[in-house]
Amino acid sequence: EVQLVQSGAEVKKPGESLKISCKGSGYSFTSYWIGWVRQMPGKGLEWMGIIYPGDSDTRYSPSFQGQVTISADKSISTAYLQWSSLKASDTAMYYCARIKRIAARPDWFDPWGQGTLVTVSS
Amino acid sequence: QSVLTQPPSASGTPGQRVTISCSGSSSNIGSNYVYWYQQLPGTAPKLLIYRNNQRPSGVPDRFSGSKSGTSASLAISGLRSEDEADYYCAAWDDSLSAVVFGGGTKLTVL
Repeated sequence: EVQLVQSGAEVKKPGESLKISCKGSGYSFTSYWIGWVRQMPGKGLEWMGIIYPGDSDTRYSPSFQGQVTISADKSISTAYLQWSSLKASDTAMYYCARIKRIAARPDWFDPWGQGTLVTVSS
Repeated sequence: QSVLTQPPSASGTPGQRVTISCSGSSSNIGSNYVYWYQQLPGTAPKLLIYRNNQRPSGVPDRFSGSKSGTSASLAISGLRSEDEADYYCAAWDDSLSAVVFGGGTKLTVL
């Protein structure tokens, strides 16, 4: 069974750093992109960026470029999303998803991880 | 303000057919595939339709997708109570070099 399992909920203070993870299993981790999607409380889905663990090719949404860092460790089939200095506005649910590549573009997102809730509050 | 435009809400009674629209532009829907995701309350999104009108295995054929020009639609026939969820359309945008989502449509089964 193809699965993405994300790390647990986090409560942080503004200015702190954070790295959350997404571990893939049941498929060739280096043959698909992993993407990250933000969902703020009561809001819709926002694409943050993707990484191809096979060669670490990483692309960011213009809205998130410079705000977060996406990385992966293919030796343990795990992708990461990290912040160097959190803000209250980073409070959201973050999902990872396996993404098929078609003609050098993202195709379908499937499956999705269960989500990691990040709460940033003083 | 989402790049793809969806109605915020839709509703229907059990057994009815409902459609949810998704409007974009030539740089996204007009030149790329459309995808639909279903998010049941309190859960992660799930792939419902890919490449405009393809259903992943396990998705009932009550769900169908279509695309024409810069717009797309998701149709749900034989509406059931368990279809109550948020539905999102998505596409690649050539101008933004990004995946763009619609704002989501909350479907209520009356």
